[in-house]
Amino acid sequence: GESVGLHLPTLSVQEGDNSIINCAYSNSASDYFIWYKQESGKGPQFIIDIRSNMDKRQGQRVTVLLNKTVKHLSLQIAATQPGDSAVYFCAENLAPQGGADGLTFGKGTHLIIQP
Amino acid sequence: DGGITQSPKYLFRKEGQNVTLSCEQNLNHDAMYWYRQDPGQGLRLIYYSQIVNDFQKGDIAEGYSVSREKKESFPLTVTSAQKNPTAFYLCASQLAIGSYEQYFGPGTRLTVT
Repeated sequence: GESVGLHLPTLSVQEGDNSIINCAYSNSASDYFIWYKQESGKGPQFIIDIRSNMDKRQGQRVTVLLNKTVKHLSLQIAATQPGDSAVYFCAENLAPQGGADGLTFGKGTHLIIQP
Repeated sequence: DGGITQSPKYLFRKEGQNVTLSCEQNLNHDAMYWYRQDPGQGLRLIYYSQIVNDFQKGDIAEGYSVSREKKESFPLTVTSAQKNPTAFYLCASQLAIGSYEQYFGPGTRLTVT
């Protein structure tokens, strides 16, 4: 089946810089997308989500952009801090409830914050 | 304090033994999930349940079994038939199947020797 993937397995940025983590999806029927942060040895934590009727959504220091034309999702983290170091996963859900087995997850990008 | 809990955090077993991992949620969510995560890998779906007394196989169900006798509980048994059981196991719950956030537990790291 179609799956969500990520362009870069590891991303290293300087503390204070902005980070952009990318995600490609291939199922045009997906209507909901979500980003998770997973610290080592812990369960994934929700960061932000977006529905397909939007192209941008902002949270605290994070912005998710959705480009349905090219099936691309990105997570922007502003002014990165050491605590942002983690693996970031994107996930999608098929519309309207076609994702009977829940969300489909990408493999993740490891974000490393350099001091 | 609402949330999803898994116990224990670390579990050690000898090869050939069955082991059951606990997952409890008090979020009143209908759907619950079990994932397996191997080092440097993404999440792979083992089993999921949309409602009490019903569950479905995910992508890697072989060697695992589940039950859903109560809405808040979804235990996972790793049987001796699972050829490579050492992994990090994550439980999640969701309001309902569909376009909603999944809430994850802290995970159980199972080591089988």
